[in-house]
Amino acid sequence: DTGVSQNPRHKITKRGQNVTFRCDPISEHNRLYWYRQTLGQGPEFLTYFQNEAQLEKSRLLSDRFSAERPKGSFSTLEIQRTEQGDSAMYLCASSSDGHLAGPETQYFGPGTRLLVL
Amino acid sequence: KQEVTQIPAALSVPEGENLVLNCSFTDSAIYNLQWFRQDPGKGLTSLLLIQSSQREQTSGRLNASLDKSSGRSTLYIAASQPGDSATYLCAAMEYGNKLVFGAGTILRVKS
Repeated sequence: DTGVSQNPRHKITKRGQNVTFRCDPISEHNRLYWYRQTLGQGPEFLTYFQNEAQLEKSRLLSDRFSAERPKGSFSTLEIQRTEQGDSAMYLCASSSDGHLAGPETQYFGPGTRLLVL
Repeated sequence: KQEVTQIPAALSVPEGENLVLNCSFTDSAIYNLQWFRQDPGKGLTSLLLIQSSQREQTSGRLNASLDKSSGRSTLYIAASQPGDSATYLCAAMEYGNKLVFGAGTILRVKS
């Protein structure tokens, strides 16, 4: 399978615990994005990497959230001291550079569903 | 701040009917407009991408149009089938390559 993969698919945790999600993008894609989706809403942008550089972070990404892409391949999203309001689907997407034709289509993974009790 | 709105929020049609989903955005300074499909509890599948310089894109029974000046896009689905039942999301790509999504239209095609 050459699509975007995310692990785990589901995570249940207690309030105050730390959680970490992983995203493996399509291998030739150098851009990687994280989004958060709550029930009945469209995804909201969290952050964006080009290779290993984190180029943009949303104001939604509080100081409890940190994302890394150390070698420009897979990425991790960590949430510290989880709160019930963090319960959501966390989606990862990747795209190629597309410098000739402009930004390319983003391909999404299946998501990690987080439930904070 | 870019805002994307989708109308209707939900739609139920009989099989075989042609239908139109609407999307509007407030800031016309976009790189492209994308339509996605999302099945319950799943990730997003890209359907069509319209570059800002284009007017429309077609893929099979799907046709998407873009009018930047009026801030509108439509997704036309011909001869709908029960397998088309899903949530359809439109998203405007703006500076920084981030997508701004609408809340989606939940489509149900009845057999």
